Order: sequence, then C-alpha cells, then structure tokens
Amino acid sequence: AQSVTQLGSHVSVSEGALVLLRCNYSSSVPPYLFWYVQYPNQGLQLLLKYTSAATLVKGINGFEAEFKKSETSFHLTKPSAHMSDAAEYFCAVSGGNTPLVFGKGTRLSVIA
Amino acid sequence: DAGVIQSPRHEVTEMGQEVTLRCKLISGHNSLFWYRQTMMRGLELLIYFNNNVPIDDSGMPEDRFSAKMPNASFSTLKIQPSEPRDSAVYFCASSPNWAGGAQETQYFGPGTRLLVL
Repeated sequence: AQSVTQLGSHVSVSEGALVLLRCNYSSSVPPYLFWYVQYPNQGLQLLLKYTSAATLVKGINGFEAEFKKSETSFHLTKPSAHMSDAAEYFCAVSGGNTPLVFGKGTRLSVIA
Repeated sequence: DAGVIQSPRHEVTEMGQEVTLRCKLISGHNSLFWYRQTMMRGLELLIYFNNNVPIDDSGMPEDRFSAKMPNASFSTLKIQPSEPRDSAVYFCASSPNWAGGAQETQYFGPGTRLLVL
C-alpha cells in the first residue's frame, strides 16, 4: 500500500521568501513521486516528478524537489516566492500497479 | 494541442435526478482516470481505464455511480439517482499509457463542479 502525508494544510510566506512544502511518503515498492499544483477553479497541473533518475528534480516555475529515501521525503522548494505561486499543492505517489495516491494538499498563500 | 476537455463545467441538479459528466481524452492517450474532490475527503480516485477497459473501480462510492468509455477518446461518469452528498468537483485525467509504467504523467481536465440540491 502507498500513502502520502503532507505536513501543513496551509502555509503562508512573504513574497521573496523561501517556499518549503513538506511531503512524506510510504511505499512497499520503489516509488514514483509527483508534485501537482491547482490554481483556483482549475484542474491539477504537473510541477515535477521523480522517476528514479536524479534525486534532485527541477520543475516548472522555479520549483524543485529532492527525493530522500532515508527520510521517505520529497519536499518541494522554491528560493523566492512570487504572488502567482499562491495555489494548492498536492504531493502524490505511485508504483507497481498502483495509480496515483494523492496527499490532502497544502494551500500556499503569498503575502505582499 | 487541446488538453483534456470536460463538460459541463458546472451542474446544478435536484436530488434524485440523473447526472452525466463527460470527458474527452487528449488525442493519443490510452488511459483515463476519474477523480472526485471534496473538502472533507480530498482527491479520490473513482475508477480508471486502460485501452477502454476498466482496470479498477474500487473507488466508485456505490452502485449509483457508473462510468463508461464508449470509444477510445471519450468517457462518461453517470450518477443515478443523485444525492446531496455527491456534491463535489469531478475531474478526469488522461495519460499516454499508464499500463506502461507508473511514472506516466496524468493530465487533468478543468473539472465539473456538481451541486445536488
């Protein structure tokens, strides 16, 4: 069985500050890990994904995430927050024959 | 290239009525997923298909829900009869060939916001 835990349902940062959204996973098989972003009234859009190549994954809009097997983590970061980053962020895990299992999501607010 | 298309975008209906949600996959994609999103339960996978064949429908809440793929590019999710607790945003997503590997990206449609009164 696979699961994802996103720590913090709501994160608030100042514009220009570091963004850190936390994700821990559980998987009985080698996992594939994803971060999706959802803007208001829209569907989910892929930010980045880990597929067992490089452990540091770079995505769109300046986001990146690092796969740490020893910590079962896949935290999402961005050095400098922009107002347009305000959205809901979802971490997801898949592996073997199991399709995506999503976390509960973290709402990111950016304060001017 | 057009993304995943869902219709209608908004649906308001009364309890007991039949509701049909529609989804058009991205051209060339073979896998189709239906999700439901609510504040309480988050994003839940209802059912998914590969090459028009339902692979896992264990997420379908009950017999009132049914999903079909009449052809390779189109799917419907039907609720009959609808109930207020079915109110949610329903997303479909397509993938090039999910059976080819769990690392395949899913591409989401904009969703259908359903309100059952």
